[in-house]
Amino acid sequence: EIVLTQSPGTLSLSPGERATLSCRASQSVSASYLAWYQQKPGQAPRLLIYGASSRATGIPDRFSGSGSGTDFTLTITRLEPGDFAVYYCQQYGTSPTFGQGTRLEIK
Amino acid sequence: QVQLVQSGAEVKKPGASVKVSCKTSGYTFTGYYMHWVRQAPGQGLEWMGWINPKSGDTNYAQNFQGRVTMTRDTSISTAYMELSGLRSDDTAVYYCARRAGHMTGRSLGFDPWGQGTLVTVSS
Repeated sequence: EIVLTQSPGTLSLSPGERATLSCRASQSVSASYLAWYQQKPGQAPRLLIYGASSRATGIPDRFSGSGSGTDFTLTITRLEPGDFAVYYCQQYGTSPTFGQGTRLEIK
Repeated sequence: QVQLVQSGAEVKKPGASVKVSCKTSGYTFTGYYMHWVRQAPGQGLEWMGWINPKSGDTNYAQNFQGRVTMTRDTSISTAYMELSGLRSDDTAVYYCARRAGHMTGRSLGFDPWGQGTLVTVSS
């Protein structure tokens, strides 16, 4: 099983700032089958990024993903109030796994 | 538009079984794998397995082998997840989530997701 470790656990920032979230895999993620999701309280997760760097339909270009192999990053520029949520990375190979999440909170 | 609508909340006693449905619309049901994911209160996401709606083939996560059964009814474009031998630590929100990307091509993550079904296990 591929274990994904996200850091930091909690990130406190102000609107307008830039957020950088990290996801490290215990082994190489094949074909960059790496996704990022946003989850707000009481809601289902929403796909933001797939293939490590491709934005899902309707996701603004303030969200960007990068990385390959075992190290991946989600960057959110110019934070807006609606961006404060929990973010999960996921590898969606043969047996998908999720990271434990990063909580992005308003400072 | 693509929609996944799940059945309502359930309360079960330890040892019982629960069956959650996921009714789909807006796309060809048999063209996309369906995954199931659960989330315990205040916790992260845990993948449970997938079903190929066309063939009925399944692949279950090791943690759920022997306790979970995923089925489908193609006539009503609905997927089901049944979990047996319920324990208190099975209390969670259960989600269905469609594989993004047709089954003949590359996977693009999970999108969209159902609204979730809260299953509470309590004596």
